[in-house]
Amino acid sequence: QSVLTQPPSASGTPGQRVTISCSGSSSNIGRNTVNWYQQLPGTAPKLLIYNTNQRPSGVPDRFSGSKSGTSASLAISGLQSEDEADYYCAAWNSGLSGQVAFGGGTKLTVL
Amino acid sequence: QVQLVQSGAEVKNPGASVKVSCKASGYTFTSYNMHWVRQAPGQGLEWMGVIKLSGGSSIYSQRFQGRLTMTSDTSTSTVYMDLSSLTSEDTAIYYCARDGPGIDYWGQGTLVTVSS
Repeated sequence: QSVLTQPPSASGTPGQRVTISCSGSSSNIGRNTVNWYQQLPGTAPKLLIYNTNQRPSGVPDRFSGSKSGTSASLAISGLQSEDEADYYCAAWNSGLSGQVAFGGGTKLTVL
Repeated sequence: QVQLVQSGAEVKNPGASVKVSCKASGYTFTSYNMHWVRQAPGQGLEWMGVIKLSGGSSIYSQRFQGRLTMTSDTSTSTVYMDLSSLTSEDTAIYYCARDGPGIDYWGQGTLVTVSS
């Protein structure tokens, strides 16, 4: 059971906008920033969003992050076939001696 | 360019220990902390702990307290993850990953298989 809760799956058609949610608590998302990772099949995860809404260099602006209270969201606009991957949220959990909590992951399917 | 290169795959018997290395290059080694994250087959990401390379202290996930040790060698820019008392549930890909902000660079992963 993950500390952060994500839907196990999401889907959309090319060009659509999709959002993936990440629900936490006052110990993690409520007081710390959120990071998002994309993992393509058979590869290491890649940082997609850091500090809740910042994109690393090279990440398209189709990807955006936000947070409200104890929940965070990743939005992907203009969905493309290459976006089909697993997506994970993560945040420091201040309630567990300063540990990092990952969400269980969301598998995004591009129909 | 930043690179994290991990040691090769391991096969271990239950009860044994495994030590995985992660050699960093392309940046000032002691300026960034290093995480270890694992992923069991078909499962999600699990954070194991982080080592602070400027001082050598570590924070471990409570799930691994007592059998996980993270160390570093600043002379070779290498971080090590040592996990003891292995069971089949420790079969996973183990990643080292730099703390950036966000975990910004990841190693290629090391498959550890625990089987008798």
